Amino acid sequence: EDQVTQSPEALRLQEGESSSLNCSYTVSGLRGLFWYRQDPGKGPEFLFTLYSAGEEKEKERLKATLTKKESFLHITAPKPEDSATYLCAVQAEYNFNKFYFGSGTKLNVKP
Amino acid sequence: ETGVTQSPTHLIKTRGQQVTLRCSSQSGHNTVSWYQQALGQGPQFIFQYYREEENGRGNFPPRFSGLQFPNYSSELNVNALELDDSALYLCASSYLAEDTQYFGPGTRLTVL
Repeated sequence: EDQVTQSPEALRLQEGESSSLNCSYTVSGLRGLFWYRQDPGKGPEFLFTLYSAGEEKEKERLKATLTKKESFLHITAPKPEDSATYLCAVQAEYNFNKFYFGSGTKLNVKP
Repeated sequence: ETGVTQSPTHLIKTRGQQVTLRCSSQSGHNTVSWYQQALGQGPQFIFQYYREEENGRGNFPPRFSGLQFPNYSSELNVNALELDDSALYLCASSYLAEDTQYFGPGTRLTVL
């Protein structure tokens, strides 16, 4: 069964303290892995798409990487405005219209 | 370029009632997917519409149904509402069925 697990569930950082969020997945043939940011009560905001192991994408303080079994979202020198829930989703080759989401990591960055 | 819009923003219904939620896709997108997100959980796939046809369905009962119109906007209908249907309902659009999905702000449904 296709599964996505995100860890940790919650993460508290001081402003400037770098860290990584993990997304591990089990899917029969990965077509794509997606990272989204979600603020409370809002819809997810698209961040990155990764398609193959070894691929990396960067945007401001965020960098996403992908291996055959997991993805990491690295946050360098975070600011309080980076506080949000970060969601990971996978798309299978055989069922590409459906995104499987993890439960997210709730990030709180304190000034 | 207009993003994905959803209406209404909030809705309160009682158990057993029916509800219709609406979504307008991003300009140029012909595919709409609907998700249910319970508090503290990730979104769960309900179904997808591509060029007005249902193009895949998640593990939701038949009382969850949908439509897509020629302008690619979409409706989600839920009959015989249950307390567990209380959630944030998200609509996402994409250019093709297999492409990156862009989400709207959601509709918060509360069933009393």
